[in-house]
Amino acid sequence: DGGITQSPKYLFRKEGQNVTLSCEQNLNHDAMYWYRQDPGQGLRLIYYSQIVNDFQKGDIAEGYSVSREKKESFPLTVTSAQKNPTAFYLCASWGQANYGYTFGSGTRLTVV
Amino acid sequence: ELKVEQNPLFLSMQEGKNYTIYCNYSTTSDRLYWYRQDPGKSLESLFVLLSNGAVKQEGRLMASLDTKARLSTLHITAAVHDLSATYFCASSRDSNYQLIWGAGTKLIIKP
Repeated sequence: DGGITQSPKYLFRKEGQNVTLSCEQNLNHDAMYWYRQDPGQGLRLIYYSQIVNDFQKGDIAEGYSVSREKKESFPLTVTSAQKNPTAFYLCASWGQANYGYTFGSGTRLTVV
Repeated sequence: ELKVEQNPLFLSMQEGKNYTIYCNYSTTSDRLYWYRQDPGKSLESLFVLLSNGAVKQEGRLMASLDTKARLSTLHITAAVHDLSATYFCASSRDSNYQLIWGAGTKLIIKP
């Protein structure tokens, strides 16, 4: 079945450490997105990519980096510059307007 | 500024009652999306509304779109506990395939 796979499901980061969240899709979608969700809050856009080797900053890109070397993959790195990274991270892709976004199952990141 | 505003943000209701969640948007796109999120889980697509007057129904949920008023509604009929979740609406940012999200409505349905 086609879908989006995020891994790991849970991730613990030490202070000053960079961590990378994986997002892989087999839907053949061009556009992919990373969102952050804090407890009880809505979605905030971190980065998005509409095509391989190109990506744009969203509303809260500081302290994060991405790459898009393959159509299927859009990993997110949470750098040590992100001072408050504890949150739920969601990856999504867009295929057609009549479907909207497809979401992965999310990665819950906690700073220890 | 492009905005999507939902109300109410929090709704507690009894089983068996009817209620409506409202979603106002300021984008020029006429596409509107509804998603459901259970606690600790990801978002799943509920409805995609693509034109004025569009109405979609799934079980006890019905969504509609009025593009002239830039308003979508999600109506719950005879609510049951299983519908307890957070509901998000979103409108597309024209051709950028990027959705603008509402803040979400947390719905609690008490037995």
